[in-house]
Amino acid sequence: DGGITQSPKYLFRKEGQNVTLSCEQNLNHDAMYWYRQDPGQGLRLIYYSQIVNDFQKGDIAEGYSVSREKKESFPLTVTSAQKNPTAFYLCASSIGRQTGRDEQYFGPGTRLTVT
Amino acid sequence: AQSVAQPEDQVNVAEGNPLTVKCTYSVSGNPYLFWYVQYPNRGLQFLLKYITGDNLVKGSYGFEAEFNKSQTSFHLKKPSALVSDSALYFCAVRDIEWNYGGSQGNLIFGKGTKLSVKP
Repeated sequence: DGGITQSPKYLFRKEGQNVTLSCEQNLNHDAMYWYRQDPGQGLRLIYYSQIVNDFQKGDIAEGYSVSREKKESFPLTVTSAQKNPTAFYLCASSIGRQTGRDEQYFGPGTRLTVT
Repeated sequence: AQSVAQPEDQVNVAEGNPLTVKCTYSVSGNPYLFWYVQYPNRGLQFLLKYITGDNLVKGSYGFEAEFNKSQTSFHLKKPSALVSDSALYFCAVRDIEWNYGGSQGNLIFGKGTKLSVKP
């Protein structure tokens, strides 16, 4: 899982509560990403950030929010507006998106269960 | 629009036999192609990528993949499978004709293929 840490590994929340998932990297990468993984659906991009203080919506941003105040950190908040929040959440980073050639390095993931 | 397909949900192989995990893609221009592996309840690990040059790409753990432009495929292969290769494998594509800052520069992942290697 390289130099990317995600915490906690398992997270349980009640419906209607916001929850924040942590992602930290020590790879000195400029770009960071949040994906959601559901069984049989592969990975879907929630948000990405190419540089500090900048981030863009991915394909399924509704009900989620992010911040990028530090290069090393890219926390994801799952809000109560997200209708199906139970999923496995993966954070990733890459050197930068400018060339498009860079592979992404993934954290170990956080499994969120909302009841 | 970019897309990637992994036509097999599961591939079963006996240990010691060669394995192939299939991937086909669709992009408007030329592709950058990637393979990742995921073990249960873990993040994805990068295996290999095709950017340009030799169509046969060698990667980690003895895996290789062959880029075939005419068939728009990038199948993952290994000459002799190990039980420890059992995992979920993802193919991903990025269109080389992307715009910096545009969503088309993002990686598109296939739905994954579960590889099961039996002793």
